[in-house]
Amino acid sequence: SQTIHQWPATLVQPVGSPLSLECTVEGTSNPNLYWYRQAAGRGLQLLFYSVGIGQISSEVPQNLSASRPQDRQFILSSKKLLLSDSGFYLCAWSGETGYPNQPQHFGDGTRLSIL
Amino acid sequence: QKEVEQDPGPLSVPEGAIVSLNCTYSNSAFQYFMWYRQYSRKGPELLMYTYSSGNKEDGRFTAQVDKSSKYISLFIRDSQPSDSATYLCAMRRPNDYKLSFGAGTTVTVRA
Repeated sequence: SQTIHQWPATLVQPVGSPLSLECTVEGTSNPNLYWYRQAAGRGLQLLFYSVGIGQISSEVPQNLSASRPQDRQFILSSKKLLLSDSGFYLCAWSGETGYPNQPQHFGDGTRLSIL
Repeated sequence: QKEVEQDPGPLSVPEGAIVSLNCTYSNSAFQYFMWYRQYSRKGPELLMYTYSSGNKEDGRFTAQVDKSSKYISLFIRDSQPSDSATYLCAMRRPNDYKLSFGAGTTVTVRA
């Protein structure tokens, strides 16, 4: 069966510091990968998605970037965090590349607090 | 106007009651409809995934889609305290990777 791992679960960072959140998927090949942000009392907002290694699509202009160095690895980064970057970051996968209509499955997220 | 509207609740019901949740949407191009359950400090878990209009049943859960009214529902029969969570509706257009989410409804089932 497929599993998705995100770490760390909780992160507290100062304003202006860099960020790297990692997500890996096991048990599947060529997945579509996604990064979402969830603000309190609001629905999930898609930040990035990837249909293959090195292929990243950005949905929202922001202070963040994403990379996919390996087939089942997706990384969310920032060079300098802003207070507005606080939130709950969720990684998701769906299978397989080229099939966007498959359901998306989520990891357990990283709660990011910026001080 | 938001693309997907969902009453945030909170909704509190006694154990054994039927929980009724719904979302409305404005984009008639949506064809795929989902319900997710999210426990506190956890990621959303897919409960139901339906295409176009009609009903789908899975155990105690029933999802309904009425595309003519742009309205979707989730019913939970014989609710249990373990059903206490936030329920998110989501939907997408065909061949679109982006999901549009409702804000979520918080449900508490009282023992």
